[in-house]
Amino acid sequence: DAMVIQNPRYQVTQFGKPVTLSCSQTLNHNVMYWYQQKSSQAPKLLFHYYDKDFNNEADTPDNFQSRRPNTSFCFLDIRSPGLGDAAMYLCATSREQGLLNEQFFGPGTRLTVL
Amino acid sequence: DAKTTQPTSMDCAEGRAANLPCNHSTISGNEYVYWYRQIHSQGPQYIIHGLKNNETNEMASLIITEDRKSSTLILPHATLRDTAVYYCIVLIESNTGKLIFGQGTTLQVKP
Repeated sequence: DAMVIQNPRYQVTQFGKPVTLSCSQTLNHNVMYWYQQKSSQAPKLLFHYYDKDFNNEADTPDNFQSRRPNTSFCFLDIRSPGLGDAAMYLCATSREQGLLNEQFFGPGTRLTVL
Repeated sequence: DAKTTQPTSMDCAEGRAANLPCNHSTISGNEYVYWYRQIHSQGPQYIIHGLKNNETNEMASLIITEDRKSSTLILPHATLRDTAVYYCIVLIESNTGKLIFGQGTTLQVKP
């Protein structure tokens, strides 16, 4: 089945130690999104790629970066994780940019910062 | 994008219809109503969307009032697997696809 895959499902890192989360998709969608969801809160968009074009949300901290080396893969890099970055990180895709394109979400990676 | 208001939580008996309300009194003419849900420990899942007319698909029905200030998501025969947080989102047509999630309604389907 075509899907959005996130690895690992659970990631533990140490305060200040860089960490990379991975997302891949078999849907061949043009757009890939990264959302952050803290405990008991709603998901919040960090940034998205439309093809190779990176679109950062205005309030996304500089500590968060992303790479999309090809259509299928997208990475979320946290350069110096703080305790406040502990959250579920959700990757999503859509066929095209724009309102009328359903977003397909992966299962998420739960990040713990010690 | 217009703000939405949803009840924090609701219960529904298994097999009965679940009716989830959403208030979007400041909605404008070119804004759509979207519903997503998030089952525990999973990513959100698209359910349905509409502009003016009522919509139905294999998952749910969406009823939008004539003045478009509120809507109701209907799950016709709720099952235990429908227990989730349901998010009502209003998006302008020119939106790039950014989903702005509110706090949503936690629906508990009980046996």
